[in-house]
Amino acid sequence: DAGVTQSPTHLIKTRGQQVTLRCSPKSGHDTVSWYQQALGQGPQFIFQYYEEEERQRGNFPDRFSGHQFPNYSSELNVNALLLGDSALYLCASSLGRDLYGYTFGSGTRLTVV
Amino acid sequence: GQQVMQIPQYQHVQEGEDFTTYCNSSTTLSNIQWYKQRPGGHPVFLIQLVKSGEVKKQKRLTFQFGEAKKNSSLHITATQTTDVGTYFCAGGSSNTGKLIFGQGTTLQVKP
Repeated sequence: DAGVTQSPTHLIKTRGQQVTLRCSPKSGHDTVSWYQQALGQGPQFIFQYYEEEERQRGNFPDRFSGHQFPNYSSELNVNALLLGDSALYLCASSLGRDLYGYTFGSGTRLTVV
Repeated sequence: GQQVMQIPQYQHVQEGEDFTTYCNSSTTLSNIQWYKQRPGGHPVFLIQLVKSGEVKKQKRLTFQFGEAKKNSSLHITATQTTDVGTYFCAGGSSNTGKLIFGQGTTLQVKP
């Protein structure tokens, strides 16, 4: 039973560039949440996708956008990268509208230089 | 907006000592979850509490959910070096539909 898969594992980008991160949820899960975890901080909620729509959003600018595909996989896009966007980006999957028992992927470590 | 605060930020203990981390929410929660993150790793789900006043145990770990469903604690008895890591609480709100994490408590255990 596959867990949550994220790609790539590491990424280095230059300020101003755009990046796309990918997430495949755990088998049987249909909801994907994205979190940003800066060094030494707790995960910060970016947004959540369910039924291919953004259902909830945290306090992140419009530079952060996402998408969910019919197979429940998801992408996180960040435009006009800033140095402060450097962080571990975590994807978590769950089932339906439940807030219970998220399964996290290993994350994508993004470094903006 | 919904905020979840966790204390202490860091805790250094001698192996065999006990450890407790506390979690407080600005709003009433529908559930609270606890996660452990090892250095360089990702959060791993430990447990979920749903009922007011609920207490759950996992071997040396005891989790409590407050009566008002706004606070929680994690207590580790007789710590071991394998307990090293950062412990996060995450509060779920059925009103907001969001799971919000605390800042975490990083535990160091000296052998």
